[in-house]
Amino acid sequence: GENVEQHPSTLSVQEGDSAVIKCTYSDSASNYFPWYKQELGKRPQLIIDIRSNVGEKKDQRIAVTLNKTAKHFSLHITETQPEDSAVYFCAGGGTGFQKLVFGTGTRLLVSP
Amino acid sequence: DAGVIQSPRHEVTEMGQEVTLRCKPISGHDYLFWYRQTMMRGLELLIYFNNNVPIDDSGMPEDRFSAKMPNASFSTLKIQPSEPRDSAVYFCASSIRGSNYGYTFGSGTRLTVV
Repeated sequence: GENVEQHPSTLSVQEGDSAVIKCTYSDSASNYFPWYKQELGKRPQLIIDIRSNVGEKKDQRIAVTLNKTAKHFSLHITETQPEDSAVYFCAGGGTGFQKLVFGTGTRLLVSP
Repeated sequence: DAGVIQSPRHEVTEMGQEVTLRCKPISGHDYLFWYRQTMMRGLELLIYFNNNVPIDDSGMPEDRFSAKMPNASFSTLKIQPSEPRDSAVYFCASSIRGSNYGYTFGSGTRLTVV
């Protein structure tokens, strides 16, 4: 089955800096890779996703890149703000949004 | 739509008692997932349903756990008997084939077994 590894486990940056979180996956059949943000005590919420027919996707300050050959994908946050502080999870899965396997999470702390 | 609705939000129970967690998916969604979140193990998929039929229950930890989906708008996750190591946040999520929005998670149930 699919295995998703995520790093770093914690990331501290200064406000305005960029943050990069990386994930690798094992199943070459996986073709859907979402990223979720979870604030303390709240539910995970989808912030961006990418499908295997696309190499990069952007949404304002957030971007995700995918390298199918190397089986890794990354989340890039530019101009970080204190409200970006949260735990970020990557995930991988197959068609039809079945059975997403989540990474172990990255705790991002943005200091003013 | 009110989103995925879970109840109760918090549950404290004594070891050995039966616990039932409830989930109402978003109307029209045909997939429903139960996840468990702990600090040690992160987000673990327990079981998922498609059109009310269980598709994969390989993540259910042991026979003490069972899940049902009697209709498209309701699912339960039952633990009997409960143990302290079952303490975790249990999330329900739903999705629809072909959607551009992936999973939508409920607010979760924080279970504490003492």
